[in-house]
Amino acid sequence: QKEVEQNSGPLSVPEGAIASLNCTYSDRGSQSFFWYRQYSGKSPELIMFIYSNGDKEDGRFTAQLNKASQYVSLLIRDSQPSDSATYLCAVQSNTNAGKSTFGDGTTLTVKP
Amino acid sequence: DGGITQSPKYLFRKEGQNVTLSCEQNLNHDAMYWYRQDPGQGLRLIYYSQIVNDFQKGDIAEGYSVSREKKESFPLTVTSAQKNPTAFYLCASSFSHTTDTQYFGPGTRLTVL
Repeated sequence: QKEVEQNSGPLSVPEGAIASLNCTYSDRGSQSFFWYRQYSGKSPELIMFIYSNGDKEDGRFTAQLNKASQYVSLLIRDSQPSDSATYLCAVQSNTNAGKSTFGDGTTLTVKP
Repeated sequence: DGGITQSPKYLFRKEGQNVTLSCEQNLNHDAMYWYRQDPGQGLRLIYYSQIVNDFQKGDIAEGYSVSREKKESFPLTVTSAQKNPTAFYLCASSFSHTTDTQYFGPGTRLTVL
Protein backbone atom coordinates (compact mmCIF):
# COMPACT_ATOMS: atom_id res chain seq x y z
CA GLN A 1 0.00 0.00 0.00
CA LYS A 2 1.34 3.41 -0.95
CA GLU A 3 1.71 5.99 1.81
CA VAL A 4 -0.35 8.52 -0.13
CA GLU A 5 -2.94 7.38 -2.68
CA GLN A 6 -4.93 9.45 -5.12
CA ASN A 7 -7.70 8.66 -7.62
CA SER A 8 -5.96 7.04 -10.56
CA GLY A 9 -7.82 9.29 -13.01
CA PRO A 10 -7.95 10.78 -15.49
CA LEU A 11 -10.93 12.81 -14.36
CA SER A 12 -13.00 14.69 -16.91
CA VAL A 13 -15.68 17.24 -16.04
CA PRO A 14 -17.62 19.77 -18.12
CA GLU A 15 -16.93 23.47 -17.73
CA GLY A 16 -18.83 24.93 -14.78
CA ALA A 17 -19.12 21.61 -12.93
CA ILE A 18 -17.60 20.66 -9.57
CA ALA A 19 -14.43 18.58 -9.73
CA SER A 20 -13.71 16.37 -6.73
CA LEU A 21 -10.19 15.10 -6.11
CA ASN A 22 -9.48 12.60 -3.35
CA CYS A 23 -6.43 11.53 -1.37
CA THR A 24 -5.94 8.96 1.38
CA TYR A 25 -2.87 8.52 3.55
CA SER A 26 -1.58 5.76 5.81
CA ASP A 27 0.46 7.60 8.49
CA ARG A 28 -1.84 8.55 11.38
CA GLY A 29 0.85 10.95 12.63
CA SER A 30 0.43 13.15 9.55
CA GLN A 31 -0.21 16.77 10.45
CA SER A 32 0.02 18.92 7.33
CA PHE A 33 -1.70 18.42 4.01
CA PHE A 34 -1.06 20.23 0.76
CA TRP A 35 -2.59 20.35 -2.70
CA TYR A 36 -0.38 21.33 -5.63
CA ARG A 37 -1.35 21.94 -9.25
CA GLN A 38 1.09 20.93 -11.97
CA TYR A 39 0.65 21.89 -15.60
CA SER A 40 2.27 19.60 -18.15
CA GLY A 41 6.03 20.14 -18.28
CA LYS A 42 5.96 22.66 -15.42
CA SER A 43 6.77 22.53 -11.72
CA PRO A 44 4.10 22.14 -9.01
CA GLU A 45 2.50 25.25 -7.55
CA LEU A 46 0.72 25.36 -4.20
CA ILE A 47 -3.08 25.62 -4.31
CA MET A 48 -3.99 25.10 -0.67
CA PHE A 49 -2.81 23.70 2.62
CA ILE A 50 -4.89 22.43 5.53
CA TYR A 51 -3.91 21.41 9.05
CA SER A 52 -7.21 21.00 10.93
CA ASN A 53 -10.23 18.76 10.45
CA GLY A 54 -13.04 20.32 8.45
CA ASP A 55 -13.26 22.53 5.41
CA LYS A 56 -11.04 25.35 4.23
CA GLU A 57 -12.21 27.55 1.39
CA ASP A 58 -10.21 29.81 -0.92
CA GLY A 59 -12.12 31.21 -3.86
CA ARG A 60 -13.31 28.34 -6.04
CA PHE A 61 -11.23 25.81 -4.11
CA THR A 62 -12.23 23.94 -0.94
CA ALA A 63 -9.99 21.52 0.91
CA GLN A 64 -11.61 19.00 3.23
CA LEU A 65 -9.73 17.04 5.89
CA ASN A 66 -10.92 14.08 7.96
CA LYS A 67 -8.07 12.78 10.10
CA ALA A 68 -10.15 9.96 11.59
CA SER A 69 -10.75 8.56 8.10
CA GLN A 70 -7.25 9.59 6.92
CA TYR A 71 -8.78 11.38 3.98
CA VAL A 72 -8.22 14.76 2.36
CA SER A 73 -10.01 16.11 -0.68
CA LEU A 74 -10.01 19.11 -2.99
CA LEU A 75 -13.18 20.47 -4.55
CA ILE A 76 -13.02 22.85 -7.47
CA ARG A 77 -16.27 24.72 -8.08
CA ASP A 78 -17.21 26.28 -11.42
CA SER A 79 -14.39 24.37 -13.12
CA GLN A 80 -12.65 26.19 -15.96
CA PRO A 81 -10.56 24.81 -18.85
CA SER A 82 -7.56 26.53 -17.23
CA ASP A 83 -8.00 24.16 -14.27
CA SER A 84 -6.95 21.27 -16.54
CA ALA A 85 -3.77 19.97 -14.92
CA THR A 86 -2.42 17.24 -12.65
CA TYR A 87 -3.21 17.73 -8.97
CA LEU A 88 -0.73 16.38 -6.42
CA CYS A 89 -1.60 15.63 -2.82
CA ALA A 90 1.28 15.94 -0.32
CA VAL A 91 1.26 14.79 3.29
CA GLN A 92 3.79 15.84 5.92
CA SER A 93 4.38 14.02 9.18
CA ASN A 94 6.60 14.93 12.12
CA THR A 95 6.96 11.21 12.81
CA ASN A 96 8.72 10.91 9.46
CA ALA A 97 11.37 13.57 10.16
CA GLY A 98 9.02 16.17 8.73
CA LYS A 99 9.37 14.83 5.21
CA SER A 100 6.58 15.31 2.70
CA THR A 101 5.24 12.34 0.79
CA PHE A 102 3.51 12.95 -2.54
CA GLY A 103 0.79 10.98 -4.26
CA ASP A 104 1.11 10.11 -7.94
CA GLY A 105 -1.40 12.81 -8.87
CA THR A 106 -4.79 12.94 -10.56
CA THR A 107 -5.06 14.45 -14.03
CA LEU A 108 -8.10 16.67 -14.46
CA THR A 109 -9.51 17.72 -17.82
CA VAL A 110 -12.20 20.39 -17.94
CA LYS A 111 -14.06 20.30 -21.25
CA PRO A 112 -15.51 23.55 -22.66
CA ASP B 1 12.46 39.51 -7.25
CA GLY B 2 12.40 36.53 -4.90
CA GLY B 3 12.24 32.92 -5.93
CA ILE B 4 13.97 29.68 -6.73
CA THR B 5 16.00 29.23 -9.88
CA GLN B 6 17.26 26.03 -11.43
CA SER B 7 19.71 25.61 -14.27
CA PRO B 8 19.99 24.38 -16.86
CA LYS B 9 16.41 23.88 -18.03
CA TYR B 10 17.43 20.96 -20.23
CA LEU B 11 20.51 18.78 -19.77
CA PHE B 12 21.84 15.92 -21.83
CA ARG B 13 24.28 13.43 -20.36
CA LYS B 14 26.33 10.70 -21.94
CA GLU B 15 26.64 7.33 -20.29
CA GLY B 16 29.30 7.36 -17.55
CA GLN B 17 29.30 11.13 -17.03
CA ASN B 18 28.63 13.01 -13.82
CA VAL B 19 26.48 16.12 -14.15
CA THR B 20 25.57 18.84 -11.65
CA LEU B 21 22.20 20.56 -11.45
CA SER B 22 22.08 24.02 -9.93
CA CYS B 23 19.46 25.28 -7.45
CA GLU B 24 19.54 28.78 -5.94
CA GLN B 25 17.00 30.57 -3.74
CA ASN B 26 16.82 34.12 -2.40
CA LEU B 27 13.82 33.54 -0.13
CA ASN B 28 15.98 33.21 3.01
CA HIS B 29 14.63 29.68 3.47
CA ASP B 30 16.51 27.30 5.77
CA ALA B 31 15.32 24.05 4.19
CA MET B 32 15.95 22.86 0.64
CA TYR B 33 14.97 19.69 -1.19
CA TRP B 34 15.61 17.73 -4.37
CA TYR B 35 12.91 15.59 -5.96
CA ARG B 36 12.80 13.37 -8.99
CA GLN B 37 9.64 12.98 -11.09
CA ASP B 38 9.15 10.26 -13.70
CA PRO B 39 6.31 10.38 -16.25
CA GLY B 40 2.88 9.79 -14.69
CA GLN B 41 4.29 9.62 -11.21
CA GLY B 42 4.52 11.80 -8.15
CA LEU B 43 7.63 13.33 -6.63
CA ARG B 44 10.24 11.17 -4.93
CA LEU B 45 12.64 12.74 -2.43
CA ILE B 46 16.34 12.42 -3.25
CA TYR B 47 18.03 14.58 -0.59
CA TYR B 48 17.04 17.37 1.76
CA SER B 49 18.87 19.91 3.87
CA GLN B 50 17.49 21.55 7.00
CA ILE B 51 20.39 23.95 7.49
CA VAL B 52 23.71 24.97 5.99
CA ASN B 53 26.41 22.27 6.06
CA ASP B 54 23.88 19.56 6.84
CA PHE B 55 21.87 17.27 4.57
CA GLN B 56 20.00 13.99 4.79
CA LYS B 57 19.25 11.16 2.36
CA GLY B 58 15.73 10.88 1.07
CA ASP B 59 14.02 7.81 -0.32
CA ILE B 60 16.09 7.42 -3.50
CA ALA B 61 19.56 8.87 -2.72
CA GLU B 62 21.64 6.14 -4.40
CA GLY B 63 23.63 7.52 -7.33
CA TYR B 64 23.20 11.15 -6.24
CA SER B 65 25.22 13.57 -4.11
CA VAL B 66 24.60 17.07 -2.75
CA SER B 67 26.32 19.86 -0.86
CA ARG B 68 25.00 22.79 1.18
CA GLU B 69 27.88 25.20 1.66
CA LYS B 70 25.70 28.29 1.41
CA LYS B 71 22.14 28.92 2.57
CA GLU B 72 21.13 30.01 -0.91
CA SER B 73 22.53 27.07 -2.87
CA PHE B 74 21.87 23.32 -2.95
CA PRO B 75 23.45 21.71 -6.03
CA LEU B 76 22.69 18.10 -6.98
CA THR B 77 25.22 15.86 -8.73
CA VAL B 78 23.91 12.92 -10.70
CA THR B 79 26.75 10.41 -10.77
CA SER B 80 27.47 7.60 -13.20
CA ALA B 81 26.27 5.22 -10.48
CA GLN B 82 22.70 6.35 -11.11
CA LYS B 83 21.59 3.75 -13.67
CA ASN B 84 18.42 5.41 -14.92
CA PRO B 85 18.82 9.17 -14.47
CA THR B 86 16.48 10.37 -17.23
CA ALA B 87 13.80 12.32 -15.36
CA PHE B 88 12.47 15.75 -14.37
CA TYR B 89 14.38 17.11 -11.37
CA LEU B 90 12.72 19.60 -9.05
CA CYS B 91 14.32 21.70 -6.34
CA ALA B 92 12.19 23.16 -3.55
CA SER B 93 12.68 25.24 -0.43
CA SER B 94 10.74 26.11 2.72
CA PHE B 95 11.24 28.30 5.79
CA SER B 96 11.70 25.27 7.98
CA HIS B 97 11.67 21.55 7.56
CA THR B 98 8.57 20.82 9.58
CA THR B 99 4.97 21.61 8.70
CA ASP B 100 5.89 24.20 6.13
CA THR B 101 4.89 24.92 2.57
CA GLN B 102 7.46 24.02 -0.07
CA TYR B 103 8.03 26.29 -3.05
CA PHE B 104 9.36 24.76 -6.24
CA GLY B 105 11.82 25.90 -8.86
CA PRO B 106 11.05 25.51 -12.59
CA GLY B 107 12.84 22.15 -12.86
CA THR B 108 15.61 20.59 -14.94
CA ARG B 109 14.84 17.90 -17.48
CA LEU B 110 17.77 15.46 -17.70
CA THR B 111 18.11 13.05 -20.60
CA VAL B 112 20.74 10.35 -20.94
CA LEU B 113 21.92 9.85 -24.51
